Amino acid sequence: QTVVTQEPSLTVSPGGTVTLTCASSTGAVTSGYYPNWFQQKPGQAPRALIYSTSNKHSWTPARFSGSLLGGKAALTLSGVQPEDEAEYYCLLYYGGAHWVFGGGTKLTVL
Amino acid sequence: QVQLQESGPGLVKPSQTLSLTCTVSGGSISSGSYYWSWIRQPAGKGLEWIGRIYTSGSTNYNPSLKSRVTISVDTSKNQFSLKLSSVTAADTAVYYCAREGLIVRGFDYWGQGTLVTVSS
Repeated sequence: QTVVTQEPSLTVSPGGTVTLTCASSTGAVTSGYYPNWFQQKPGQAPRALIYSTSNKHSWTPARFSGSLLGGKAALTLSGVQPEDEAEYYCLLYYGGAHWVFGGGTKLTVL
Repeated sequence: QVQLQESGPGLVKPSQTLSLTCTVSGGSISSGSYYWSWIRQPAGKGLEWIGRIYTSGSTNYNPSLKSRVTISVDTSKNQFSLKLSSVTAADTAVYYCAREGLIVRGFDYWGQGTLVTVSS
């Protein structure tokens, strides 16, 4: 069974920069996994941030960026704001046409 | 602005079939440019992709749920539906529907989610 792994939790100071990563049990993550990133706040539906590794939706704040880093998908937040405190999920696409979510990263802004 | 709205019973008995519908507004489900997915989230846990359907009726399912899942589409009503059979307490979750781009492989719009509890 495929497992997608994220850091369980990270802490960042307001105004700081933090990188969240997303690894696959099958090996290096490439653009062919079409990494997506989502933000979820308590009691809310997930909100899409990034698709196909690095593409932003029209509503995605400029401080969010996606990339591939060291064989993983990565989401970088630059100039973190208090409202960025949330759970972040990555999503990867696998052959056989199915998607697998990572376990999520709880980001604390402190 | 595309909107998705889940609907269906909030309580299902064990061993029965869970049935949910997602109604799409602000855009046509028949446009051919999107897949339509179901995703769930047990309380306090992470997200799990259940499966998706294309306007043609072609489906893909999570291998771990494939034997119990059926997703269908009704283009005349601009809706797609989820059926999950032989449910247990482990299927208790908030169920979301979402749209996925056919070419860009990106999820954009999500429904607000609906809580389904499996209990006798």
